[in-house]
Amino acid sequence: DIQMTQSPSSLSASVGDRVTITCRASQTISIYLNWYHQKPGKAPKLLISAASSLQSGVPSRFSGSGSGTDFTLTISSLQPEDFATYYCQQSYSSPLTFGGGTKVDIK
Amino acid sequence: QVQLVESGGGVVQPGRSLRLSCAASGFTFSRNGMHWVRQAPGKGLEWVAVIWYDGSNKYYADSVKGRFTISRDNSKNTLYLQMNSLRAEDTGVYYCARGTIFGVANYLDYWGQGTLVTVSS
Repeated sequence: DIQMTQSPSSLSASVGDRVTITCRASQTISIYLNWYHQKPGKAPKLLISAASSLQSGVPSRFSGSGSGTDFTLTISSLQPEDFATYYCQQSYSSPLTFGGGTKVDIK
Repeated sequence: QVQLVESGGGVVQPGRSLRLSCAASGFTFSRNGMHWVRQAPGKGLEWVAVIWYDGSNKYYADSVKGRFTISRDNSKNTLYLQMNSLRAEDTGVYYCARGTIFGVANYLDYWGQGTLVTVSS
């Protein structure tokens, strides 16, 4: 199975900050990497697919990059509604696997 | 709009069975693969199983293989998860999610609200 490792596991940030979350795969996954966020008590929501493709309706302050084993999710200017837990997920091979999550909270 | 509504969760004793359902609407159900993903209390997301759009292929996480069965009824726009020999570690919220493949992208683009399964004596 492909292991997905996210860092950091948590971070504190202020509104307006630039936030970067990294995700590393245990083997190459090309660009088969998706990002989701999840708010407490809610279902996950897809933000980015294929490493860098922003989903319809997702604000442009979100961006993704990377290929192979190393990936990055960037929020250019953190907004109040962005405080959540973020997960990466590989879809290169079965079983699908998620990273452990990065909790973004208010400083 | 796409809607996925899970049901069937509850409290069950270890070793017993439970069947979850996921009613889909707002899209052509028979065109998409469907997934189950679970989340233990306070933990991260764990993929459980997938079934292809026509039911021809099914894949499972090792943690549930041989105990859980994913199925679908395209005439009823409904996805199922039959869970047998339940264990305490199966406790969590179970989400159904639509799978979409678009070019090189393969992702879970719509999720239900989840149904809670608690395995406890």
